[in-house]
Amino acid sequence: GDSVTQMEGPVTLSEEAFLTINCTYTATGYPSLFWYVQYPGEGLQLLLKATKADDKGSNKGFEATYRKETTSFHLEKGSVQVSDSAVYFCDLNGKLTFGQGTILTVHP
Amino acid sequence: EAGVVQSPRYKIIEKKQPVAFWCNPISGHNTLYWYLQNLGQGPELLIRYENEEAVDDSQLPKDRFSAERLKGVDSTLKIQPAELGDSAVYLCASSPSSGASTDTQYFGPGTRLTVL
Repeated sequence: GDSVTQMEGPVTLSEEAFLTINCTYTATGYPSLFWYVQYPGEGLQLLLKATKADDKGSNKGFEATYRKETTSFHLEKGSVQVSDSAVYFCDLNGKLTFGQGTILTVHP
Repeated sequence: EAGVVQSPRYKIIEKKQPVAFWCNPISGHNTLYWYLQNLGQGPELLIRYENEEAVDDSQLPKDRFSAERLKGVDSTLKIQPAELGDSAVYLCASSPSSGASTDTQYFGPGTRLTVL
C-alpha cells in the first residue's frame, strides 16, 4: 500500500547549520506530497507541498523537490534557526497517514 | 480568516467519565477530520467527514467513541466512558474540498485530554 518512510530523529543542530530530513514514499499513481510542522504546544500546520513530479515546494527558507525517479521528497534548509525547533511530518496525501515525525532541535 | 477552532483546549477527567470535544472548521471547508495524537507520535486519523457524511470511520473505536457533524459544519467527538489510555491530544482539521489529494489540511490547536 501507499506509505512514507521518514528519517528518524531526533536531529540536533547548531544555529546556521544545513538541514536535511529524508522522506521517501511508496505509492501507485501520482500522489501529492506535503511537509507539515508542529511547533511546541501547537497544532500541525502546512510547511510546503508539491503536487507533481519535479515540483519544488518552498516556505520560510525550507525547500523540498518532488523526485519521482527516487520517490523522494527530502526537506532541506540552508541555515536553520532556533525558531525552527519543531517536529516535522512528511505526508503522502490521500492516505491521511502521518509517521511519527522528526524532532528537530536547534541550539544557539 | 479564522482558523480551525477547538474547545476546550485542556480537559482533565476521571476514568469512566464521559467527555466531548468540539470543533468549528474554517468557513466553507467541506471536509473535516478528527485525529488522535499520542505523545511523541504523529496524528492518527479517527474519522473523516465530507459535509455531514462520515466517509471514513474505520479507525474510530466505536464501542466508546462517537462523532457527529450536524449540518455539515461544526463537529463533536465524544468518548464514553473514557479510559486511561485515551489520554492524548485530539486534533481537528479541515480542508476545502472533498478529500482531494492536493488539499492542504488546516489543523486546530487540539484538545489535550488527561484521564486520571
